[in-house]
Amino acid sequence: DAGVTQSPTHLIKTRGQQVTLRCSPKSGHDTVSWYQQALGQGPQFIFQYYEEEERQRGNFPDRFSGHQFPNYSSELNVNALLLGDSALYLCASSFGQGNYEQYFGPGTRLTVT
Amino acid sequence: ILNVEQSPQSLHVQEGDSTNFTCSFPSSNFYALHWYRWETAKSPEALFVMTLNGDEKKKGRISATLNTKEGYSYLYIKGSQPEDSATYLCAFEGSQGNLIFGKGTKLSVKP
Repeated sequence: DAGVTQSPTHLIKTRGQQVTLRCSPKSGHDTVSWYQQALGQGPQFIFQYYEEEERQRGNFPDRFSGHQFPNYSSELNVNALLLGDSALYLCASSFGQGNYEQYFGPGTRLTVT
Repeated sequence: ILNVEQSPQSLHVQEGDSTNFTCSFPSSNFYALHWYRWETAKSPEALFVMTLNGDEKKKGRISATLNTKEGYSYLYIKGSQPEDSATYLCAFEGSQGNLIFGKGTKLSVKP
């Protein structure tokens, strides 16, 4: 079992560009959550996908969007990148909703210049 | 705005010392409290998911307690080892199911 995988590992983008990050959940998991961790902060919840639909959303602007595919993998898209979007983006997978351990991937480090 | 606070922010102990950290969270709309261990350059690793007031969980030398009425959880490490060095995160799960994380406690254990 490969666990949760994310790609790419690192990414450098310029302000105004768009970026797509990818996540494959742990085998058997059907729910994917995305988090942003800025320097010195705990991970902040962006949104959660289940059955290919956004189920929950945190306090992030519409520039942040996502998608879940039939195989439960997921993408996070960020449009019109700002310097403040520089962060570690973590993906976590789980089965169902609530009270279950979320398994995290190693993250994608995004740097916006 | 829901707030999860962890203390201390960082901790330096000697090998063999026992230590503990605190996580404070909202006492309303509680669903679960999660503890994670995050080593540098690795993925956060789930330690415990706690749901009931008074719950105590243990995994090897690490244990945790939960008080949902007053909104706090303690994580204990007995006989710290250098491999325990990591950031320990707690996360509050409310009725909506998403996790609200604290900033973490960074533990360094010196041999």
